[in-house]
Amino acid sequence: QVRLQESGPRLVKPSETLSLTCSVSGDSFKTYYWNWIRQPPGKGLEWIAYMHHSGISDYNPSLRGRATMSVDSSKSQFSLNLSSVTAADTAVYYCASLLPASAFDIWGQGALVTVSS
Amino acid sequence: EIVLTQSPGILSLSPGERATLSCRASQNVNNNYLAWYQQRPGQAPRVLISGASNRATGIPDRFWGTGSGTDFTLIISRLEPEDSAVYFCQQYGRTPRTFGQGTKVEIK
Repeated sequence: QVRLQESGPRLVKPSETLSLTCSVSGDSFKTYYWNWIRQPPGKGLEWIAYMHHSGISDYNPSLRGRATMSVDSSKSQFSLNLSSVTAADTAVYYCASLLPASAFDIWGQGALVTVSS
Repeated sequence: EIVLTQSPGILSLSPGERATLSCRASQNVNNNYLAWYQQRPGQAPRVLISGASNRATGIPDRFWGTGSGTDFTLIISRLEPEDSAVYFCQQYGRTPRTFGQGTKVEIK
């Protein structure tokens, strides 16, 4: 049974970089594509990016190149960096898994990150 | 990108009633790669349906997904109090993967 857990600073200053890590427990780290999805308070869901351990990746153009993912297979972790943040980036950030041509099937509990000075 | 529009915004029904949720796509969803998620307050979403009509493991058969092309429907027959949640549709046929804005189901 795969489990996901987000970690990282919960308060980030405007113009700085938001950094989150997702730790994966269970088998099959190299099977899945690993994703970040966010949800502003009281709003809908926005897919940010995915990355496979092989380096295959895809990003949502809406982030205008501010998002960068990395994967560390040795630690069964993957990370998100989101640069030049503003208050609009305040959201619950979820990590999630998926298999090719499938839905997001396993989610972390989410991490509320607030952008404020 | 494909825009998904869900309706209605809020659905208020009694236990035992049937809920019909709609998701309309701005373009054809390739291979009917359309999923439905349930999000209870304070929780992460969980997948109910993928491929428009395939129930995920452990999802009760009260949940049905139908549709193809640009029009999709989630039906919850015989509502139970635990079904109170926001339901999102999501397409994964084309990048970027996009979500609908959600339908809130309230149980009276």
